[in-house]
Amino acid sequence: KQEVTQIPAALSVPEGENLVLNCSFTDSAIYNLQWFRQDPGKGLTSLLLIQSSQREQTSGRLNASLDKSSGRSTLYIAASQPGDSATYLCAVRLGGAGGTSYGKLTFGQGTILTVHP
Amino acid sequence: ETGVTQSPTHLIKTRGQQVTLRCSSQSGHNTVSWYQQALGQGPQFIFQYYREEENGRGNFPPRFSGLQFPNYSSELNVNALELDDSALYLCASSTNSGRGTEAFFGQGTRLTVV
Repeated sequence: KQEVTQIPAALSVPEGENLVLNCSFTDSAIYNLQWFRQDPGKGLTSLLLIQSSQREQTSGRLNASLDKSSGRSTLYIAASQPGDSATYLCAVRLGGAGGTSYGKLTFGQGTILTVHP
Repeated sequence: ETGVTQSPTHLIKTRGQQVTLRCSSQSGHNTVSWYQQALGQGPQFIFQYYREEENGRGNFPPRFSGLQFPNYSSELNVNALELDDSALYLCASSTNSGRGTEAFFGQGTRLTVV
């Protein structure tokens, strides 16, 4: 059974800091890994998608890495801003034959990030 | 390109009642998944529909059921509501594309069972 763990559970930093959020998973046979952002009471916004064959993806101030063999991913946020305050969730999708579009996402419990001015 | 939309946004039901939640998938997406998110927890997979057939189910009882329509929109039905069913229900749509099955989520339906 795939289990996903996110560390830390909560993080509070001053504006401008660079920070790292961690995600680990127990079954390395993943198809891809996705990082999401969730504002309070809202849905999930996709930030980055990393395929199992990739090592990292970048979007603006965000960089996500993947080490499938060790079951780890990190989300790096550069020059944090108060607007980055949200819950960050990682989710893994187990492998599917032929890359077909199926397979549930297994989520971690999230990291609650607060960036104060 | 329209995103994933869910309705209603909020709902209050009494224990024992039945509820139907709706989801319109993103244009061109043929797969819809439903998740339940309790307060302070990560989303939990309920089930997934691909081309109108259920092709994956999480650890949820049969009173959670669904449908997918020819236009790929979907419904989640919950019978005999229990207090523990109170949660945010999220719908996600995806398709196997060059981006490799990226899931896009709606804004969710907040269900409160009293």
